[in-house]
Amino acid sequence: KAGVTQTPRYLIKTRGQQVTLSCSPISGHRSVSWYQQTPGQGLQFLFEYFSETQRNKGNFPGRFSGRQFSNSRSEMNVSTLELGDSALYLCASSFGGYEQFFGPGTRLTVL
Amino acid sequence: DQQVKQNSPSLSVQEGRISILNCDYTNSMFDYFLWYKKYPAEGPTFLISISSIKDKNEDGRFTVFLNKSAKHLSLHIVPSQPGDSAVYFCAASANAGGTSYGKLTFGQGTILTVHP
Repeated sequence: KAGVTQTPRYLIKTRGQQVTLSCSPISGHRSVSWYQQTPGQGLQFLFEYFSETQRNKGNFPGRFSGRQFSNSRSEMNVSTLELGDSALYLCASSFGGYEQFFGPGTRLTVL
Repeated sequence: DQQVKQNSPSLSVQEGRISILNCDYTNSMFDYFLWYKKYPAEGPTFLISISSIKDKNEDGRFTVFLNKSAKHLSLHIVPSQPGDSAVYFCAASANAGGTSYGKLTFGQGTILTVHP
């Protein structure tokens, strides 16, 4: 079975721009969660989608949003980028929600 | 408020010996715990998990122990191998009625170095 894939792997943007990241879960997995990893804050939960509905949300500003499609693929969007948004963005998928399997991440650099 | 804490930023052990990684949590609602291993520039790799109804779970060289009264869990790796050198994260989730809502709360990680 193919693992979780994320595109792009690396991205460089400037302040004020917006960005869209993509995640394809493991086949059969209906839950997709997103996390942000930074050196200062560690791994923090952004949101989770299940069957195209946002089921859980972390403590991030409204500039961070996401969606899930009928094939379980998910996208997250960050608008009006700030320098502090530079991070590794990780997507994880799960079947029942307990064990989550992570993709390789997208490294976002905001200049 | 950090609900999951890994108080040791790093651990160094000799190949063949036991590695013990520790994790403490404060949220009594957590009922499922996981350990992940992570290399730089890669996503975390799932290692082992444990439900709050158990106090031990084994998988090969990895054993996780849970002490609910102390709100403490530990990961034992025996024997340790140089390829185990990585950052180890513990994570916890609070689930309702058997339904997980896909939110993991992570500790800050412990860097394990296994010397040949």
